[in-house]
Amino acid sequence: QKEVEQNSGPLSVPEGAIASLNCTYSDRGSQSFFWYRQYSGKSPELIMSIYSNGDKEDGRFTAQLNKASQYVSLLIRDSQPSDSATYLCAVRLGAGSYQLTFGKGTKLSVIP
Amino acid sequence: DVKVTQSSRYLVKRTGEKVFLECVQDMDHENMFWYRQDPGLGLRLIYFSYDVKMKEKGDIPEGYSVSREKKERFSLILESASTNQTSMYLCASRGANNSPLHFGNGTRLTVT
Repeated sequence: QKEVEQNSGPLSVPEGAIASLNCTYSDRGSQSFFWYRQYSGKSPELIMSIYSNGDKEDGRFTAQLNKASQYVSLLIRDSQPSDSATYLCAVRLGAGSYQLTFGKGTKLSVIP
Repeated sequence: DVKVTQSSRYLVKRTGEKVFLECVQDMDHENMFWYRQDPGLGLRLIYFSYDVKMKEKGDIPEGYSVSREKKERFSLILESASTNQTSMYLCASRGANNSPLHFGNGTRLTVT
């Protein structure tokens, strides 16, 4: 079965620390990887996309992709209380799939 | 910016009613999706459409149908609402190839 797995958390980090969120996926042929942030009661919003092995940085966020290990991660530097949310990993499993498959999300709490 | 608009933010319906959830996107995206989100179960795909008048079942299509008569509009229909269909419903759209999903604000449906 094609799957995307995330640690559900909650993950608690102090303000100013680095938060590390991890995701594994089952289909070696996957090509597109996304991180979404979802605040309670709101819809998911895209924060990062990554397509190639290595790191991609956008402000305080860094996405890391390792296709050989079927692993994608999100690092949040200088974590802020406003980063407290659920983070969803989404993968386009396989080359021809129309849909994205989501992990169940990791809940992050940044403690002031 | 991509805008995905869902017609209702909150909806309360009675068991047995026929329910229409409407979604409109303004970016000429080929692909549109309906998800439901429940605590502990994550995002689950109900139906998707990759073109006008085309539809495909997702992971949990039972009890639902969809309509896509125009490219920008994708409707979710609950033929006879039941209490187990109480949930947050999220519409999303995306363009071709490896583009990300863009979500609407969601409709919180309560069936009593």
